[in-house]
Amino acid sequence: AQSVAQPEDQVNVAEGNPLTVKCTYSVSGNPYLFWYVQYPNRGLQFLLKYITGDNLVKGSYGFEAEFNKSQTSFHLKKPSALVSDSALYFCAVRVLKFYFGSGTKLNVKP
Amino acid sequence: NAGVTQTPKFQVLKTGQSMTLQCAQDMNHEYMSWYRQDPGMGLRLIHYSVGAGITDQGEVPNGYNVSRSTTEDFPLRLLSAAPSQTSVYFCASSYKGATNYGYTFGSGTRLTVV
Repeated sequence: AQSVAQPEDQVNVAEGNPLTVKCTYSVSGNPYLFWYVQYPNRGLQFLLKYITGDNLVKGSYGFEAEFNKSQTSFHLKKPSALVSDSALYFCAVRVLKFYFGSGTKLNVKP
Repeated sequence: NAGVTQTPKFQVLKTGQSMTLQCAQDMNHEYMSWYRQDPGMGLRLIHYSVGAGITDQGEVPNGYNVSRSTTEDFPLRLLSAAPSQTSVYFCASSYKGATNYGYTFGSGTRLTVV
């Protein structure tokens, strides 16, 4: 069965510090990997995706994600967190259909 | 602007009432889906469609019906609303064959059943 895991319900980080939001997946075949962000009372917005090539993918708002095929992971990262990055983050995998993780709430404190 | 449009944004229903949540996209996407989002539960797939005339069930289809008569529209019908259907509903669309293409989401419908 296809699955996506976000092991942390919540991540707390101080503004200016680096942040990591974790995602691992278990799918058959070669997946395409995505990160979405959801601000309060809003829909989900596309952040970045991994298709092929360089394992480090750069996306919107200074975010990047590192694809690791051997560990089946696709962790979201940002070198220096902002308070405005506080939101709910979803990892997703597409193998024909989409499979979403349960979401990680990122809290960035001033 | 191109995108996914959901209406209404907010709705309050009484138990037993029926209603239709509307979803329309103008990007010629074949693949459309409905999700519900509950606190602590992430996104759960209700129904999806890979093209006009084709629909299939997701993980939580009970109490909901869908149809896909056109590529643009994918309405979600609540047959007899129950308090357990209080949730935020999102419609999303994408290209069917291009699996390297992500979803475009609507802004959501917040439904309360009393």
